[in-house]
Amino acid sequence: GQNIDQPTEMTATEGAIVQINCTYQTSGFNGLFWYQQHAGEAPTFLSYNVLDGLEEKGRFSSFLSRSKGYSYLLLKELQMKDSASYLCAVMDSNYQLIWGAGTKLIIKP
Amino acid sequence: GAVVSQHPSWVICKSGTSVKIECRSLDFQATTMFWYRQFPKQSLMLMATSNEGSKATYEQGVEKDKFLINHASLTLSTLTVTSAHPEDSSFYICSAPRGETEAFFGQGTRLTVV
Repeated sequence: GQNIDQPTEMTATEGAIVQINCTYQTSGFNGLFWYQQHAGEAPTFLSYNVLDGLEEKGRFSSFLSRSKGYSYLLLKELQMKDSASYLCAVMDSNYQLIWGAGTKLIIKP
Repeated sequence: GAVVSQHPSWVICKSGTSVKIECRSLDFQATTMFWYRQFPKQSLMLMATSNEGSKATYEQGVEKDKFLINHASLTLSTLTVTSAHPEDSSFYICSAPRGETEAFFGQGTRLTVV
């Protein structure tokens, strides 16, 4: 079966760095997405990785290792507004998104 | 700006009535759109894949006669929740892939059935 695993909840301090891991087992692979979702809102796109390596976008970076079925989202200089759920999703061979359950990130002052 | 527009953003309806949710791709054509449902504190669950010009593909356990999907054009897909019941209250989200590397989401529709 297809499976995406990510931690349920993480806590970090404002101004610090946090890494959210995601491991996956899917039928085919056409890229891995990270989304941010605030409560009651639709997910917003953060990053897309299809090749191994690190993609950096401002305070957010995403890493992919296809051989290990592993990705992480790195958030730097955390701000209170970064408190949200972070969803890892893999696009399978049918171009459908397979979703992780999301990681709730709590930022403390 | 948004590339996928979903309407309405929230709706309250009475039990037994039907509700239509629209999903539009704004600056690209989407031959495929996905409809998701999200229960509180849970991940997005794929309900069905909407295909322009053909029937939608429903995931196991999703009642196709209750959740009617019509992909009328290359920029519009609709989800109609028929004979709504309180247990249908949820957050419904559509998604449209653009090319092979992007997937955009609508704003979501919060449905409350009373």
